[in-house]
Amino acid sequence: QQQVKQSPQSLIVQKGGISIINCAYENTAFDYFPWYQQFPGKGPALLIAIRPDVSEKKEGRFTISFNKSAKQFSLHIMDSQPGDSATYFCAASKGSNYQLIWGAGTKLIIKP
Amino acid sequence: DTAVSQTPKYLVTQMGNDKSIKCEQNLGHDTMYWYKQDSKKFLKIMFSYNNKELIINETVPNRFSPKSPDKAHLNLHINSLELGDSAVYFCASSEYSETQYFGPGTRLLVL
Repeated sequence: QQQVKQSPQSLIVQKGGISIINCAYENTAFDYFPWYQQFPGKGPALLIAIRPDVSEKKEGRFTISFNKSAKQFSLHIMDSQPGDSATYFCAASKGSNYQLIWGAGTKLIIKP
Repeated sequence: DTAVSQTPKYLVTQMGNDKSIKCEQNLGHDTMYWYKQDSKKFLKIMFSYNNKELIINETVPNRFSPKSPDKAHLNLHINSLELGDSAVYFCASSEYSETQYFGPGTRLLVL
């Protein structure tokens, strides 16, 4: 019930295409769903986050879509660029203790 | 100014040795974390401290011991290092919001 399942494990997308990474969770008490981006040799950094009271959040080329009934959320990267090549992690947390439950990560490669 | 810093950046050592990794944050956050990232990039929470008090202690060998001298520092001491301890160790911090700010990582290689 504490797991967050992330797919795919790796993804190759052509420059200008749409990258889509999916996550699913079981625990309906989760109320915060962030996406982190990690470049090689660096620590993860928050990219975008959503709460279950909205179904979509957009920041620039990055969009989170949230489906509460299906217990799924996804990251869409529009007009993907080589600079977006990184590992992406979804996560979830509940309540006030802010412990994040992490997905396994997706290695995204954008081909020029 | 670096928000979350870790030292050393690289650590190469022999099996059986004891080593420490230091972490400092200048963000004024109350909560700090240690994560282990293995070769498959999986992030595993190890410990979390809030105002110098241990609040998360996941199942890790007791060879790992965190210590928080003040709320800006969280160090990780590892006794009797094993081959399987080779990984990247990340320190992170957060305030009341859920956003965690990560350090650059310490790459530990046990030979």
